[in-house]
Amino acid sequence: DTAVSQTPKYLVTQMGNDKSIKCEQNLGHDTMYWYKQDSKKFLKIMFSYNNKELIINETVPNRFSPKSPDKAHLNLHINSLELGDSAVYFCASSRRTSGDKNIQYFGAGTRLSVL
Amino acid sequence: GNSVTQMEGPVTLSEEAFLTINCTYTATGYPSLFWYVQYPGEGLQLLLKATKADDKGSNKGFEATYRKETTSFHLEKGSVQVSDSAVYFCALSDRGGGTSYGKLTFGQGTILTVHP
Repeated sequence: DTAVSQTPKYLVTQMGNDKSIKCEQNLGHDTMYWYKQDSKKFLKIMFSYNNKELIINETVPNRFSPKSPDKAHLNLHINSLELGDSAVYFCASSRRTSGDKNIQYFGAGTRLSVL
Repeated sequence: GNSVTQMEGPVTLSEEAFLTINCTYTATGYPSLFWYVQYPGEGLQLLLKATKADDKGSNKGFEATYRKETTSFHLEKGSVQVSDSAVYFCALSDRGGGTSYGKLTFGQGTILTVHP
């Protein structure tokens, strides 16, 4: 079983569309994250949720809205997609209260291409 | 704020060569330090970690030592293999409280290619 799974793996869409990326973890973790990786491989955190509560919200356009229906899921909805949103988006999870806190487990990524 | 600087890549080596990827950091307090590896088409995987000064993290022949005096966490491997070809990320995590807790700050990544 995949520990952190994201869907879809690839997403090609037109400018102006609205799309969602889903993430699920089966590790029993209480904290989940979204990262954006640009074309130069640079990784930057976007959001983090702990027990369904938003705890990290970096400077991200409000077209991006995360939603956490429960501890095992963190979805990312993007409105009015722009060319600059093209990137690979990674979901990750961790257990905040364990001895291995801050060790994050990553999904395989969703490659978003906005045309 | 926190920041991580890695040596510029890409790095190209022959199999069995010695590898060093430099990493330095700027942080308040005492962060935890990590190396993550990203194989082609995959997500990031934790390679090794160190949580306090002078700790040495090691895994799969890779090593890195947390040097507080030089604020460094350089990655080394004595003999690389073709299968080590990947992107390597140095990262730190703030152990302070509040909203920054758990946030990973990454370096820019170093692409390593190992030829037979």
